[in-house]
Amino acid sequence: EVQLVESGGGLVQPGGYLRLSCAASGFTFDDYALYWVRQSPGKGLEWVSGIYWNSGSTGYADSVKGRFTISRDNARNTLYLQMNSLRVEDTALYYCAKAVRRYDFYSGADSWGQGTLVTVSS
Amino acid sequence: DIQMTQSPSSLSASVGDRVTITCRASHNIYNYLNWFQQRPGRAPNLLIYDASSLQSGVPSRFTGSGSGTEFTLTITSLQPEDFATYFCQHSYSTLPFTFGPGTKVDIK
Repeated sequence: EVQLVESGGGLVQPGGYLRLSCAASGFTFDDYALYWVRQSPGKGLEWVSGIYWNSGSTGYADSVKGRFTISRDNARNTLYLQMNSLRVEDTALYYCAKAVRRYDFYSGADSWGQGTLVTVSS
Repeated sequence: DIQMTQSPSSLSASVGDRVTITCRASHNIYNYLNWFQQRPGRAPNLLIYDASSLQSGVPSRFTGSGSGTEFTLTITSLQPEDFATYFCQHSYSTLPFTFGPGTKVDIK
């Protein structure tokens, strides 16, 4: 069974930083692209970032470009999101998600974690 | 960025009804279109990918169709567990992979 477990969320002041982690199990981790998607309280879904199975390419939403960095450690089956210069509007539940197909970045996400809550407030 | 819109934003329906949700993309996304269901307090659940491919384990009453810029999700014979919010998302080459604003399906 595929499992994705996010951690690292919490309360941080504007301008601060956090590093989110997503521990994966139940699939061949280094065969799949992975994504971060966030959801502000009571709002819709926003795709934040994605990374190829081999870290060969990454992508970001304009709203986080230059502030967030996605990475992965295939030896540890873990996905990361380094979030710097945090803003109030980054407050959200952050989900990690796995691509549907092996070696395909441009696909839907078929497995999701339960999310980790990031609150940016003074 | 590719913009995604959905209609309606909400609808009320009864158990057994046929429900259709429309998603439109601002640019041609071929068949790079996914549909998700999200129940309150839960993570999104993939229903349909590649516009019309049913995700494993999803009931066959969910069907997706369309290509290019216009897509539909149809639920035949709505069940009690289908009352939820539905989102479309593109996964075409232009990042970010934008989601639509969602369609909330509630009980009439």
